[in-house]
Amino acid sequence: NAGVTQTPKFQVLKTGQSMTLQCAQDMNHNSMYWYRQDPGMGLRLIYYSASEGTTDKGEVPNGYNVSRLNKREFSLRLESAAPSQTSVYFCASRAGHLGQSPLHFGNGTRLTVT
Amino acid sequence: ELKVEQNPLFLSMQEGKNYTIYCNYSTTSDRLYWYRQDPGKSLESLFVLLSNGAVKQEGRLMASLDTKARLSTLHITAAVHDLSATYFCAVDMLPDKLIFGTGTRLQVFP
Repeated sequence: NAGVTQTPKFQVLKTGQSMTLQCAQDMNHNSMYWYRQDPGMGLRLIYYSASEGTTDKGEVPNGYNVSRLNKREFSLRLESAAPSQTSVYFCASRAGHLGQSPLHFGNGTRLTVT
Repeated sequence: ELKVEQNPLFLSMQEGKNYTIYCNYSTTSDRLYWYRQDPGKSLESLFVLLSNGAVKQEGRLMASLDTKARLSTLHITAAVHDLSATYFCAVDMLPDKLIFGTGTRLQVFP
């Protein structure tokens, strides 16, 4: 049972380049999330998807787009990367209706934008 | 907008001592979670608190929730080195947002 799988693990981009971070879960969870983690800032919610076919903005959505491709997959796209987007990105998922269950996290993607 | 504040942000404590980490949040919610993160690793779930007065215990850690005060605590009893990690609280906000606090970095020394 793989849980939540994120790819790639590491990535270096130049300013202005684009990329997509991939996330897939095999737990049949309804809800999926993207967070970024910066030193001293905790985890900040970028986007989330409460069910297949829906996405909503979180705390820091600017500069990002997401796609909930199907129930299993939730991707995060940076159209034109900026140094301020250097961070560790975590994907997470959870079961249950309207919350009430903890998040299961992937292992993270460490992104550096130069 | 929901704000979740933890204090202290950094805690250095001696083995065998007790201490409490506090998590305050700004809007109504009766669902709160605690997570642990080891350096360079992902987050793992510790406790799920789903109602006012909920208390959960696992080993040397005990978490509680007071929804009227909008406060959760994570109490550490007789700390050991293995508890060194960063601890996060997270609050559920309808319809399905989960907002994290800034984290408390705990170091336990002999």
